[in-house]
Amino acid sequence: DAGITQSPRHKVTETGTPVTLRCHQTENHRYMYWYRQDPGHGLRLIHYSYGVKDTDKGEVSDGYSVSRSKTEDFLLTLESATSSQTSVYFCAISEIAGNNEQFFGPGTRLTVL
Amino acid sequence: SQQGEEDPQALSIQEGENATMNCSYKTSINNLQWYRQNSGRGLVHLILIRSNEREKHSGRLRVTLDTSKKSSSLLITASRAADTASYFCAGSSGGSYIPTFGRGTSLIVHP
Repeated sequence: DAGITQSPRHKVTETGTPVTLRCHQTENHRYMYWYRQDPGHGLRLIHYSYGVKDTDKGEVSDGYSVSRSKTEDFLLTLESATSSQTSVYFCAISEIAGNNEQFFGPGTRLTVL
Repeated sequence: SQQGEEDPQALSIQEGENATMNCSYKTSINNLQWYRQNSGRGLVHLILIRSNEREKHSGRLRVTLDTSKKSSSLLITASRAADTASYFCAGSSGGSYIPTFGRGTSLIVHP
């Protein structure tokens, strides 16, 4: 498996609280992505990064922010969690744009009560 | 928007049979990828086919691409119980190489 870890793996929180999910890679890949996976929707891109401090929005970015201060870490923050953000969150990495095979982390299951 | 819609949504077969999953997409693509996801796990890359390719093989997997019909198919030959998983196609288009995933096909292979 590619060296990608996500933390925490499971989290239960309450509506209105801030939540930060961490993705850590040991592959030195340039690109990092955050997806959410919900039944009936497949994977949807939240935010992605194409380098340190370089990030951009994906399809479902409202309510989420990201930061990448080091190549190996990509943080996803829910400033004020809502029940609609209950989901499984996956981090992925890829090496170069032209060969965009993605490697996925194990996922974080987030429940917002 | 989805750049990849799989069909069927669910497929149930016996071990040893072939499994065929289809993917349709909306706009012209640079490449199309197939991924597998076992229950409770992250996605695993299976194969990438570029827009100028028509067919690729990898072990028991065969992927075809028909750009005129904006469709791709994934064939798993001689399926095994271990092939039970969800399969996703993901297309990349325009100036972005970021793949957009479909909703997936759930494959169950009965031993």
